[in-house]
Amino acid sequence: GQQVMQIPQYQHVQEGEDFTTYCNSSTTLSNIQWYKQRPGGHPVFLIQLVKSGEVKKQKRLTFQFGEAKKNSSLHITATQTTDVGTYFCAGPTNAGKSTFGDGTTLTVKP
Amino acid sequence: NAGVTQTPKFQVLKTGQSMTLQCAQDMNHEYMSWYRQDPGMGLRLIHYSVGAGITDQGEVPNGYNVSRSTTEDFPLRLLSAAPSQTSVYFCASSYTGQGAKNIQYFGAGTRLSVL
Repeated sequence: GQQVMQIPQYQHVQEGEDFTTYCNSSTTLSNIQWYKQRPGGHPVFLIQLVKSGEVKKQKRLTFQFGEAKKNSSLHITATQTTDVGTYFCAGPTNAGKSTFGDGTTLTVKP
Repeated sequence: NAGVTQTPKFQVLKTGQSMTLQCAQDMNHEYMSWYRQDPGMGLRLIHYSVGAGITDQGEVPNGYNVSRSTTEDFPLRLLSAAPSQTSVYFCASSYTGQGAKNIQYFGAGTRLSVL
């Protein structure tokens, strides 16, 4: 079945540093989704990428979808303490289902 | 819209007790699912449903039962709780109609401790 892998598992940065997490799928994806889970919270949908090579920005967050539609990345410029949490990527399978990566947990030291 | 509502928010059980975690959504989503998340871990799929009357197993179904009698509700039953079931449980739903992209909407979670 489809597998979605994320690296790194953990990332500790100083406030102001950049952060990147990478997502790789074993199969070609129709789209890739990114979610954020704040500590003690639940995953919340951030964005979806659909087109090959697509790049989308949300303020300091930049999301990319690979040309082959099998990998994606999330880059945060100049991290802030509000960026802490776990970032998940997910790829759709069928009938409403999505396969989630294991997530990258970001901690930011002020 | 309330979205996805889970009850209770917290629960403590003794080994061997049974209980039902409730999940309801008001978005008319056909697809619903249950995940468990252990400390520092990702989301593991327990059971899912593609519509009323249809359920299927995820990757960690043992010890859990589900049913889907209505579109809105998808309860998760623990028949005989074990300490290994101590976890945070999330219910999620998604739209499966035309143009659907499988975006998952999560409930706030139920934090379960089994002693």
